[in-house]
Amino acid sequence: NAGVTQTPKFRILKIGQSMTLQCAQDMNHNYMYWYRQDPGMGLKLIYYSVGAGITDKGEVPNGYNVSRSTTEDFPLRLELAAPSQTSVYFCASSYQRGTGEQFFGPGTRLTVL
Amino acid sequence: RKEVEQDPGPFNVPEGATVAFNCTYSNSASQSFFWYRQDCRKEPKLLMSVYSSGNEDGRFTAQLNRASQYISLLIRDSKLSDSATYLCVVNTISGTYKYIFGTGTRLKVLA
Repeated sequence: NAGVTQTPKFRILKIGQSMTLQCAQDMNHNYMYWYRQDPGMGLKLIYYSVGAGITDKGEVPNGYNVSRSTTEDFPLRLELAAPSQTSVYFCASSYQRGTGEQFFGPGTRLTVL
Repeated sequence: RKEVEQDPGPFNVPEGATVAFNCTYSNSASQSFFWYRQDCRKEPKLLMSVYSSGNEDGRFTAQLNRASQYISLLIRDSKLSDSATYLCVVNTISGTYKYIFGTGTRLKVLA
């Protein structure tokens, strides 16, 4: 049982490049989330999903896109990377919606230069 | 006012000390409360949920005060391994369920 996995662990992008951050969970959780964490700040919700085919925006969705074609996978797409997107990105999943434990992946450290 | 506020610390305490953190939240309709622990450059992990009647897990005690809208975490007999950042997380309902994270309180336990 791997829990929540994320790839890559680290990435450096140039301004204007695009990339996809991968996230997968093997706990059969319906709810999945993408957060970003900037130094000294709390986690900010980018997008979330309540099940395959259903996604919605969080607090800071601009510059990102998501899809959820299966229960297991929830990739995050960055289009036209900007320095403001330099951050640590965490994917999480939960069995319950808003009332239960969230399980986090190890994070992706992204730098945009 | 931030939705969830924590003292960023750091709290520097000697081994064996008792330390307490508070977290205030602004939305009186919040329903679920959690403390997560985050080690340096690692992902957050659930330390404990916070129940209305208060709850204890070993050296850790969490309490909820709905009237004053704060939750607390008490750590007794601090260990070096308790050094981490403690995140307060509140579930708020604004059209949909969302977890709101505080910025965290840093704890350093000193030998």
